[in-house]
Amino acid sequence: NAGVTQTPKFQVLKTGQSMTLQCAQDMNHNSMYWYRQDPGMGLRLIYYSASEGTTDKGEVPNGYNVSRLNKREFSLRLESAAPSQTSVYFCASSERGTANYGYTFGSGTRLTVV
Amino acid sequence: TQLLEQSPQFLSIQEGENLTVYCNSSSVFSSLQWYRQEPGEGPVLLVTVVTGGEVKKLKRLTFQFGDARKDSSLHITAAQPGDTGLYLCAGGEGYSSASKIIFGSGTRLSIRP
Repeated sequence: NAGVTQTPKFQVLKTGQSMTLQCAQDMNHNSMYWYRQDPGMGLRLIYYSASEGTTDKGEVPNGYNVSRLNKREFSLRLESAAPSQTSVYFCASSERGTANYGYTFGSGTRLTVV
Repeated sequence: TQLLEQSPQFLSIQEGENLTVYCNSSSVFSSLQWYRQEPGEGPVLLVTVVTGGEVKKLKRLTFQFGDARKDSSLHITAAQPGDTGLYLCAGGEGYSSASKIIFGSGTRLSIRP
């Protein structure tokens, strides 16, 4: 019953450091997504991958890069962390890219940039 | 950019009472989804509605998609402490293979025993 697995669960970075958030799903889903959640702002899409081999920008892509390593894995990289990137990050997957299919979310990575 | 507004933002009621949460937009959506999120966890899908006017029931929860597919409501009957959480609506932006959903800012629900 793994579903979507995110690592790490918690991370503290200093301004300017880099890190990669890992995400893997075991449901054979085609589409994967990275969101950030900030108080009072709901979930905002950073990047998504509609299918293996494709990636596209979402609403708030600046400061991030992504890699769809294979069908299972979708990673999010912060090249030079800034305090504004302090947030909770969620990875999600969907059977197909069409918006009528529900998303399965991981349990999140809580990132603090000091 | 399509926007989804949820109301109320916060709601605290006594166990056994009924409540309704609203999700409104000026845009038309291909679908409307509702999620519940508990502290320290990711959102969990409750329901997806795709047809204007559609009503779905999940035990004590009733979900309705507006006729024009611009709004939705979630009604909880006889609320229980286990219903406590953050409720998020999300609207589908189309039918293509790369279509996405956008989220409302959420309604934080607290049920007092």
